[in-house]
Amino acid sequence: DQQVKQNSPSLSVQEGRISILNCDYTNSMFDYFLWYKKYPAEGPTFLISISSIKDKNEDGRFTVFLNKSAKHLSLHIVPSQPGDSAVYFCAADDIQGAQKLVFGQGTRLTINP
Amino acid sequence: EPEVTQTPSHQVTQMGQEVILRCVPISNHLYFYWYRQILGQKVEFLVSFYNNEISEKSEIFDDQFSVERPDGSNFTLKIRSTKLEDSAMYFCASSEATGNTGELFFGEGSRLTVL
Repeated sequence: DQQVKQNSPSLSVQEGRISILNCDYTNSMFDYFLWYKKYPAEGPTFLISISSIKDKNEDGRFTVFLNKSAKHLSLHIVPSQPGDSAVYFCAADDIQGAQKLVFGQGTRLTINP
Repeated sequence: EPEVTQTPSHQVTQMGQEVILRCVPISNHLYFYWYRQILGQKVEFLVSFYNNEISEKSEIFDDQFSVERPDGSNFTLKIRSTKLEDSAMYFCASSEATGNTGELFFGEGSRLTVL
């Protein structure tokens, strides 16, 4: 089942620079997308979401971009901070909005001082 | 800040034994979920629960699994006869609403190891 794919298992970025995490999906029934952040020994924490009727959503240092035609979304973090080091999961929900989220494999982001 | 709490944090059991994982969702939330993550794999949806009944369940959630809200605060996941492949981190989550307005709040997870 590869409905949501995060092709980069890891990403290393220097503190203060921009982190860009990517996610692709295949199911055209998905219409709501979310990013979660996970620290070791903790549950996923909601970061930001975007509905398919939008192409951008911004919340502080975090911006999510959605390209529906390419079935691609990305999370931008700027400026990156050491506390951003975590595993980031992309997730998608379908039109019914049942919160039956389909997750990607995750990308481990490391912010280097 | 309100949070979802899960117990136990880690349980080791023998294959074939019954296991109950417990969760206390956020108090004003109405929708409850179980997800799991097998080591090295994706987080997977198991089941959602609303108004004392299952709303949705995945193919993973077979007859060996059941969920219950035995009182006003707890939400439990029972595995009747555990298999080796049930070893995973199990996450409980809750939300105030469903649909695109209902952010899921996850607990810290219960690690189940089946020997």
